[in-house]
Amino acid sequence: GEDVEQSLFLSVREGDSSVINCTYTDSSSTYLYWYKQEPGAGLQLLTYIFSNMDMKQDQRLTVLLNKKDKHLSLRIADTQTGDSAIYFCAERGSSASKIIFGSGTRLSIRP
Amino acid sequence: EAQVTQNPRYLITVTGKKLTVTCSQNMNHEYMSWYRQDPGLGLRQIYYSMNVEVTDKGDVPEGYKVSRKEKRNFPLILESPSPNQTSLYFCASSRRTVQETQYFGPGTRLLVL
Repeated sequence: GEDVEQSLFLSVREGDSSVINCTYTDSSSTYLYWYKQEPGAGLQLLTYIFSNMDMKQDQRLTVLLNKKDKHLSLRIADTQTGDSAIYFCAERGSSASKIIFGSGTRLSIRP
Repeated sequence: EAQVTQNPRYLITVTGKKLTVTCSQNMNHEYMSWYRQDPGLGLRQIYYSMNVEVTDKGDVPEGYKVSRKEKRNFPLILESPSPNQTSLYFCASSRRTVQETQYFGPGTRLLVL
């Protein structure tokens, strides 16, 4: 079945770049997403990428998609304390009716 | 303000006591969905609704019911809650299909004793 995997934790120093990685199994995915969840809050869509794109940049965020390897990454440049959150990778599966989420990567920032 | 609201935000209950978690959106969205979030498992979809009176099972529907009698509301019903339904629940909505931006509610934390 469809599956999305990501590592559970990432720690980076303030000011460095953060790279959060994700792999998925559904080769028919058409949309891939990154969501951010701050403590005590719901999920907020950060960005998404169509499967026919390799890269998408939005201010400090860069999304890279390697469709051959089914690998998605989110790079956050100049990581700040406000970036501390759980980041979820998600894909729109072969069914049009649902999104499959990964388990989330908790990003913590060191001073 | 465009938003998805859920009530209650926190709930402690006992096994077998029926409960309902309400979800309401003010954006005239057609698509609504319920997820549960558990440590290490991410979000798993419970039920979804493509429009009024149209609902379908997600990945983990057992022990849950939903209804969509009107566009703005999508309540989640636990007829006989059990401890394994202790979780954090999120309602979400989007304009039409799920590929469009989903707006999430703030979450309902449920503890079943």
